[in-house]
Amino acid sequence: AAGVIQSPRHLIKEKRETATLKCYPIPRHDTVYWYQQGPGQDPQFLISFYEKMQSDKGSIPDRFSAQQFSDYHSELNMSSLELGDSALYFCASSLGTSGPTGELFFGEGSRLTVL
Amino acid sequence: SQELEQSPQSLIVQEGKNLTINCTSSKTLYGLYWYKQKYGEGLIFLMMLQKGGEEKSHEKITAKLDEKKQQSSLHITASQPSHAGIYLCGFLNSGGYQKVTFGTGTKLQVIP
Repeated sequence: AAGVIQSPRHLIKEKRETATLKCYPIPRHDTVYWYQQGPGQDPQFLISFYEKMQSDKGSIPDRFSAQQFSDYHSELNMSSLELGDSALYFCASSLGTSGPTGELFFGEGSRLTVL
Repeated sequence: SQELEQSPQSLIVQEGKNLTINCTSSKTLYGLYWYKQKYGEGLIFLMMLQKGGEEKSHEKITAKLDEKKQQSSLHITASQPSHAGIYLCGFLNSGGYQKVTFGTGTKLQVIP
């Protein structure tokens, strides 16, 4: 079965550079979530989209932005990268509903290293 | 996240032994997820519990939800080295879009 696809899997950037991560949800899933997991930490929610509209916002820095496109894939743009941005970035998708139902499936993650 | 506390933080067991991981929430649970993560890899969905008293099993892993106590437990029977990893519980926020807030994780090592 198709899963959540994230690219790239690994990315190395210098400080103050820009990075873009992509997420392709499971087919027919209309909701996408982005999480950031620092070394030894639990995943922290950044932002989510439902039907191409931002649905919720967590601890996402102002230097980061994201959007969901018409084909439901999402991109997380990170600018002015800092050393502390080095982390594993997860994307998850689900079939959005009006209530807390359904399963949330995660991608393998994109590992960003900022030097 | 302090909203979700997991215990123990780490666990080392002999292969074949049973073990239990607990997850306690400071907020009302609308749903509780259990995920497993190998170091540096993706989160593997194990199960989701929604109703108080609900119990689900997948192979040798059983999870229960005690809604009143705002707790969930994950029990592994006859542990195997393949069970090693980090187990994360996550609770479902009350909003409509299934945002999951994760606990601090329990690191499990299984010694052959």
